[in-house]
Amino acid sequence: SQQGEEDPQALSIQEGENATMNCSYKTSINNLQWYRQNSGRGLVHLILIRSNEREKHSGRLRVTLDTSKKSSSLLITASRAADTASYFCATDMGYSTLTFGKGTMLLVSP
Amino acid sequence: DAGITQSPRHKVTETGTPVTLRCHQTENHRYMYWYRQDPGHGLRLIHYSYGVKDTDKGEVSDGYSVSRSKTEDFLLTLESATSSQTSVYFCAISVAGDSYNEQFFGPGTRLTVL
Repeated sequence: SQQGEEDPQALSIQEGENATMNCSYKTSINNLQWYRQNSGRGLVHLILIRSNEREKHSGRLRVTLDTSKKSSSLLITASRAADTASYFCATDMGYSTLTFGKGTMLLVSP
Repeated sequence: DAGITQSPRHKVTETGTPVTLRCHQTENHRYMYWYRQDPGHGLRLIHYSYGVKDTDKGEVSDGYSVSRSKTEDFLLTLESATSSQTSVYFCAISVAGDSYNEQFFGPGTRLTVL
């Protein structure tokens, strides 16, 4: 079964709006990562947040982690059409592998 | 794509035939991974390698074997392809450090088994 589950499965917004997607997981983690996948391409690493961190920023990305609720959120501010992609969370439990969720499909309309 | 290439990029084959997919990296990373991606299932780990001749199974390893005779190449073999193995296959390498494992992905191979 999937360790991480993203919510919502799909999200449609207008350019300039913020996009928030969530990830829930089941067991303790070393860190949680977010990846982006453009249609027909491989995944691209966006940001990593360690289990002892609560919030992290990278450009227009803001990630939060609540280990007590076993959940994370990814916020993309001032979305652009180029942000249209699928977004995946991945949990690292320290076993040399990552477990990916099923992803959130984000559509940003001009 | 962090120096990762996959070949072939597209393949159509028939049920029962053997298929080998190749992943090649140019940066001498120790860890390499094979995933499959299917609608509704996200990305699932098939096998991974932590060094030459060192491999381990992932979540969906049945029907697949792997080999790593050189650091730069990680091969995924479907001994007798089935229609359920129609999928997009991604190879990844890991840039690992103290308490983190960040992965970089290849462009993918789209495999269709008829």
